[in-house]
Amino acid sequence: QSALTQPASVSGSPGQSITISCTGTSSDVSDYQYVSWFQHHPGKPPKLLVFDVTKRPSGVSNRFSGSKSGNTASLTISGLQDEDEADYYCTSYTAISTPLYVFGTGTKVTVL
Amino acid sequence: QVQLQESGPGLVQPSETLSLTCAVSGASLGRNWWSWVRQAPGKGLEWIGEIYPSGTTNYNPSLKSRVTILVDKSKNQFSLRLSSVTAADTAVFYCARHMSGANTFDSWGQGTLVIVSS
Repeated sequence: QSALTQPASVSGSPGQSITISCTGTSSDVSDYQYVSWFQHHPGKPPKLLVFDVTKRPSGVSNRFSGSKSGNTASLTISGLQDEDEADYYCTSYTAISTPLYVFGTGTKVTVL
Repeated sequence: QVQLQESGPGLVQPSETLSLTCAVSGASLGRNWWSWVRQAPGKGLEWIGEIYPSGTTNYNPSLKSRVTILVDKSKNQFSLRLSSVTAADTAVFYCARHMSGANTFDSWGQGTLVIVSS
């Protein structure tokens, strides 16, 4: 099971919206509604932003939103802020193959 | 508020066994699954394996032959053992709690760096 594919980097100016893609296969992203997104600042633990493709945990800003089409999931960050500069990872759960959890390759978001 | 804290040696000799413990506070191991995830320097996140309080485990096939995850309900903690380590196993290791009712991780430890070197 290969890692999910994400762009290495995405950048945007404060206030803009950016979208990060996460491409998988029919064994993971395509067939399951179990895509999650994490924000990871260096030296800190990953923070859950979105789960089950579109749901946000309590306390997560509504500037973060998730979606999916076919085998590609996406995370959109609206109203980009300086503190959004971090690494972002998608992950997908699959019940029919192992590993059960596959992470994306990671995307570095830079706020210009 | 659940808190997870990894502990263990920060330096392990090649070919030895890496051992880490994740102490859970603020919640019991209960009915959640619990996982280990690692991140090698300059690399992405990699799921290592998971355990349920009953002791049921699932492992990443790429590591399965070398990984053991155990649970100690009396101490409210779970542990990771990775045998025959090499420099490629140098990483920050995180323990994480699975979100109830969802297939993801909602709480993470701070992470602990383990270097494999002689």
